[in-house]
Amino acid sequence: DAGVTQSPTHLIKTRGQQVTLRCSPKSGHDTVSWYQQALGQGPQFIFQYYEEEERQRGNFPDRFSGHQFPNYSSELNVNALLLGDSALYLCASSLAGQTTYEQYFGPGTRLTVT
Amino acid sequence: QKEVEQNSGPLSVPEGAIASLNCTYSDRGSQSFFWYRQYSGKSPELIMFIYSNGDKEDGRFTAQLNKASQYVSLLIRDSQPSDSATYLCAVNPDDKIIFGKGTRLHILP
Repeated sequence: DAGVTQSPTHLIKTRGQQVTLRCSPKSGHDTVSWYQQALGQGPQFIFQYYEEEERQRGNFPDRFSGHQFPNYSSELNVNALLLGDSALYLCASSLAGQTTYEQYFGPGTRLTVT
Repeated sequence: QKEVEQNSGPLSVPEGAIASLNCTYSDRGSQSFFWYRQYSGKSPELIMFIYSNGDKEDGRFTAQLNKASQYVSLLIRDSQPSDSATYLCAVNPDDKIIFGKGTRLHILP
């Protein structure tokens, strides 16, 4: 049973650049959520994709955008990077329509903005 | 503002004892409650979820939910050094999950 995968593992970018992170959901899952986790904090919800559309969004600026593909995989794009965007970016997958709401996380992408 | 509150710790517990982790939440509409374990430098791992008032047991872990008090707890019996990690409480008041900042647990050998 393939779990959630993310790429790349680590990334170093310069302020002002753009970055794309990728996620493949757990086998059988159709919903992908993205989170940002700063050091010493809990994950903060960025947005969720289902049926190739953004279904929910947290308090993040428009610099953060995403996409979901027909195979349920997803991308997170961040434009005009700021130093404060340095964090662990987590992707979590789940199955829509369940009364339960378990999400399973990928290993994350560590983004460092210099 | 929907919030989830946890004591940041560290909580130090002797090996073999019971570790008790607590969490409160602000949104009474929350229906699902989760505990994740996160080792340093790793991603969160789902260890327990609970939806109904009362207790739910899974091995050495027991989750307790009291919706009237808006309170969730996690008990870890027979604590092991491998239980040393940050434990994140999470709730979903709607279609997204809100996390607390986590409690650092240190099991003393």
